[in-house]
Amino acid sequence: KAGVTQTPRYLIKTRGQQVTLSCSPISGHRSVSWYQQTPGQGLQFLFEYFSETQRNKGNFPGRFSGRQFSNSRSEMNVSTLELGDSALYLCASSLDGPGPNEKLFFGSGTQLSVL
Amino acid sequence: QKEVEQNSGPLSVPEGAIASLNCTYSDRGSQSFFWYRQYSGKSPELIMSIYSNGDKEDGRFTAQLNKASQYVSLLIRDSQPSDSATYLCAWGANSGGYQKVTFGIGTKLQVIP
Repeated sequence: KAGVTQTPRYLIKTRGQQVTLSCSPISGHRSVSWYQQTPGQGLQFLFEYFSETQRNKGNFPGRFSGRQFSNSRSEMNVSTLELGDSALYLCASSLDGPGPNEKLFFGSGTQLSVL
Repeated sequence: QKEVEQNSGPLSVPEGAIASLNCTYSDRGSQSFFWYRQYSGKSPELIMSIYSNGDKEDGRFTAQLNKASQYVSLLIRDSQPSDSATYLCAWGANSGGYQKVTFGIGTKLQVIP
């Protein structure tokens, strides 16, 4: 079974641009969660999607948005990029969403650098 | 106040020793707790989960949960150089009717041969 696939692996953008990241979950998984990872803040929760609906959202500005398609693939978008958005963006899939009996499977991440 | 407090380390232990990793959390509504391991340049992977007070053992790993004191710990017995990684504690709690998993900053463990 293929794992969680994130594309692209690396991205270099300049301030003010926008970026779209993609995540394909493990086949059969309906939940996709997105996290931002930085050395100083660790893993910060962005949002979680299940069956095309956003069920939870972290404390990030509105510049960060996401969506999920009917095949469970998810995209996140960051508009008007700032230097502080430079980070590793990880997505994680699970069958029915985060929970006591649910294991999160992480993708390899997209390393975003904002110049 | 951060939701999860975790010493970022690094924590250095000699090979064969017991490594003890700790994490405190602030939300008494937390229901489930997890330990993820992340090797440098890799993505996190789940190694242990625990939901009830007490100890849970899996091979060389033991997770301990004390809800009254709001801490969760991970013991690694007979530490090996291959255990060198960052260990992330995480907890799940209801948010808007669904679980949200929050992570600590992670503790970097170095096992010295």
